[in-house]
This record gives sequence, structure tokens and C-alpha cells, in this order.
Amino acid sequence: SQQGEEDPQALSIQEGENATMNCSYKTSINNLQWYRQNSGRGLVHLILIRSNEREKHSGRLRVTLDTSKKSSSLLITASRAADTASYFCATIESSNTGKLIFGQGTTLQVKP
Amino acid sequence: GAGVSQSPSNKVTEKGKDVELRCDPISGHTALYWYRQSLGQGLEFLIYFQGNSAPDKSGLPSDRFSAERTGGSVSTLTIQRTQQEDSAVYLCASSLSLHKETQYFGPGTRLLVL
Repeated sequence: SQQGEEDPQALSIQEGENATMNCSYKTSINNLQWYRQNSGRGLVHLILIRSNEREKHSGRLRVTLDTSKKSSSLLITASRAADTASYFCATIESSNTGKLIFGQGTTLQVKP
Repeated sequence: GAGVSQSPSNKVTEKGKDVELRCDPISGHTALYWYRQSLGQGLEFLIYFQGNSAPDKSGLPSDRFSAERTGGSVSTLTIQRTQQEDSAVYLCASSLSLHKETQYFGPGTRLLVL
């Protein structure tokens, strides 16, 4: 079963603009992760934020986590055409130690 | 080193046939996971293996689905008597251990059941 919702489902921006994607989840979590998927194949891990963290940065990526609202956001700054992909949030619940529970994903198109 | 590999890349089969999908995890990774991605259901967990512990099969959708992991390395996902709703991309991932949360995904096997 899916953990929650991602918003928006699709996003189209111009190169150089920032892209923000949001994710909500339902249960108590150990951590939340963001993955990227190109062309419907393998997933690439982007960033992991733990339940006791509020914000994390990695290059042009900024992730926030609000456990009181059970939500997270992924910000991609200065987007590039190569950032065009689907982005998924995934959680590992506090009650288990392994499986990822994925959101529905946001499809991002960055126009050159 | 090499990443997670899966074979075949694509598989077309007829309804009712059995299929086997293979996953080679990253060398040294003790945890291995199978997920399925379909249009209607998104990304779903199927099963994971951790070392010699009993696998967590809680995500397998029916008893037609089974998986094994031989020698703590290669894993095979078997679907018996395939149905059209089994059509999906089957993704395998591995991690250093169950508690090392970053999972590294393979390219997937795209299964089409006619």
C-alpha cells in the first residue's frame, strides 16, 4: 500500500527555475528518502532525512521534514534539463526495519 | 564495483505460464528487496531478505509469487500461472544491511503478460 500523497503529480518549469515537490505520509517513520527515476526504470537514491532532522542539503537539493504535519518537501534549485525525471518520496516506518513505502511520485519536466 | 543487475531486461509471456526473474545484488550487501511498479498501483514492496533470517513476505500479492535467495547472494522471483495484472516492472534493490537504509536499485525487469 502507498504511504501517502505527492504533490503536484506533474510539474513543468523552465531551466534555471526552482522546483518544489511535496510528500505526505501517514504513519510514524524512522526516516524519509527521496529517489529519482528516469524513463520508468531503476531508482536513484538522492537524499535521506531522519525523523529527528528538520532540513538537509545535498548539492542543489534541499529537503525538509515536518513530522508534526507528516510531510516533506524536496527543492531542486537552478534546475537543468537533465533533472527531468520522476521523483518519489519513500519512508521506512518506525515499526519495521527494511521495506520502503513509496509515494505516488511527481513527474518533473525541465524545459531548456 | 558493479551495481545491482537484473535479468532479463524485458520478458513477454503468455497468460498461465511461469516466469523467473533474477537479481544480482551488490557484492557484500546482505539485504535484498523486491518491489513492483505498475500503472495502477505505483511502487509496491514485495519481499525482502536479510542474511539468514526468514524473509519478510508480507508484500507478496498472492501465493503465485515466491522468491528465494541462494547462498545469501543471487535472488530469483518466480511468478506461477501469470495473469495479465502481473504486468509491471519488477525492481530489485540491495543494501549493506537491513539497518543501512540506502537501497541501491537495479534497472528492473519489464514483464508483459499477454
